Amino acid sequence: QVQLVQSGSELKQPGASVKVSCKASGYTFTSYAMCWVRQAPGQGLQWMGWINTNTGKPTYAQGFTGRFVFSLDTSVITAYLQISSLKAEDTAVYYCARGKYCSSNSCYSDSWGQGTLVTVSS
Amino acid sequence: QSVLTQPPSVSGAPGQRVTISCTGSSSNIGAGYDVHWYQQLPGTAPKLLIYANTNRPSGVPDRFSGSKSGTSASLAITGLQAADEADYYCQSYDSSLGGPEFGTGTKLTVL
Repeated sequence: QVQLVQSGSELKQPGASVKVSCKASGYTFTSYAMCWVRQAPGQGLQWMGWINTNTGKPTYAQGFTGRFVFSLDTSVITAYLQISSLKAEDTAVYYCARGKYCSSNSCYSDSWGQGTLVTVSS
Repeated sequence: QSVLTQPPSVSGAPGQRVTISCTGSSSNIGAGYDVHWYQQLPGTAPKLLIYANTNRPSGVPDRFSGSKSGTSASLAITGLQAADEADYYCQSYDSSLGGPEFGTGTKLTVL
């Protein structure tokens, strides 16, 4: 069965960086995109963007350019989200999710990781 | 603020039918882009409930159904159960943003 297993919670100081991992199993990794979604405490879902697992090309949503980087290591079937220059407002749960049709206008996510809580606090 | 607006909350008694609306514009739902729906149970990751307006993934009960008309879409839940108490989100592509967007989310309370 499809599984996306994310790395554990992180506590970081403002200005630091964090790298969240998302290990996939149960399907052909390069046949689907990998999406990233943010959920701040008590808030709704925010689309961050996606990465093409064939080419490694990332696409970032508005508001998630500059400090956010999506990457892959296909040798270990893992996607990564790195956030630099962390701010208090980056405190959130970050989800990876398998994406379908993300190169078209009908992108959706049919399997989700369990989420990684990133807390930014001094 | 999202370009897709949902009511903050809806409620219903067990066994009843409820609907959750997702109101967009000519740059998203009204342009013909597909709408997808997710269910997020308390403390868990979202789960795909409906894709491409009306389709249910394998394992999703037929008590859940989706529809779309004009610049809006709706999720209907019949035979309401306590286990349906969750947050529900719509999602669609928006041409102004150049990518997908989630709705504002709706909290369903089963009375």
